[in-house]
Amino acid sequence: GQNIDQPTEMTATEGAIVQINCTYQTSGFNGLFWYQQHAGEAPTFLSYNVLDGLEEKGRFSSFLSRSKGYSYLLLKELQMKDSASYLCAVNYSGYALNFGKGTSLLVTP
Amino acid sequence: DADVTQTPRNRITKTGKRIMLECSQTKGHDRMYWYRQDPGLGLRLIYYSFDVKDINKGEISDGYSVSRQAQAKFSLSLESAIPNQTALYFCATSDPPSGLPLRETQYFGPGTRLLVL
Repeated sequence: GQNIDQPTEMTATEGAIVQINCTYQTSGFNGLFWYQQHAGEAPTFLSYNVLDGLEEKGRFSSFLSRSKGYSYLLLKELQMKDSASYLCAVNYSGYALNFGKGTSLLVTP
Repeated sequence: DADVTQTPRNRITKTGKRIMLECSQTKGHDRMYWYRQDPGLGLRLIYYSFDVKDINKGEISDGYSVSRQAQAKFSLSLESAIPNQTALYFCATSDPPSGLPLRETQYFGPGTRLLVL
């Protein structure tokens, strides 16, 4: 399998910035996704990276380094509603998405 | 109206029973997927289908079967349910990669919460 690793849990303060890291095996890499999932709900698409660099979308940004097998999701100006799980998923050639186990983010007042 | 729907949303069944979880989509996507999610294990792929005539096993297909009745419908069956199949099940859809750069985004249904006693 293609191991996708991300921290299990993180805690951050409202208004702060948090970075959630993801590492993956590089062989066959064909793109990386970040999804947000609130408890008991469906995952929803946040961002996609296939080229090296930073993709910015409002308060959320995602970075990719293909040579290092590394990505991060950056959340700025944290809000209470950002408390959720964040899933890193990699598309490998000729196969469906492989998901990491997710990072549970708790935003505190 | 939701683009990807799943029925039932919640189900309690007994060990040994056969059950079917259904997924329908109005997005017109060719590709459909079934995942299960367990605490601490993340989303794991059970089966996927790239078109009506194409069915593929995923990471954890044992104990499950699927049927792609039409482009819009993809059903997951547990032939003889067992307690360790208690989980949250998600259906997802996507189209083949498109755009520049190529991208294939999956869209998830609301999930079915299954409890096997």
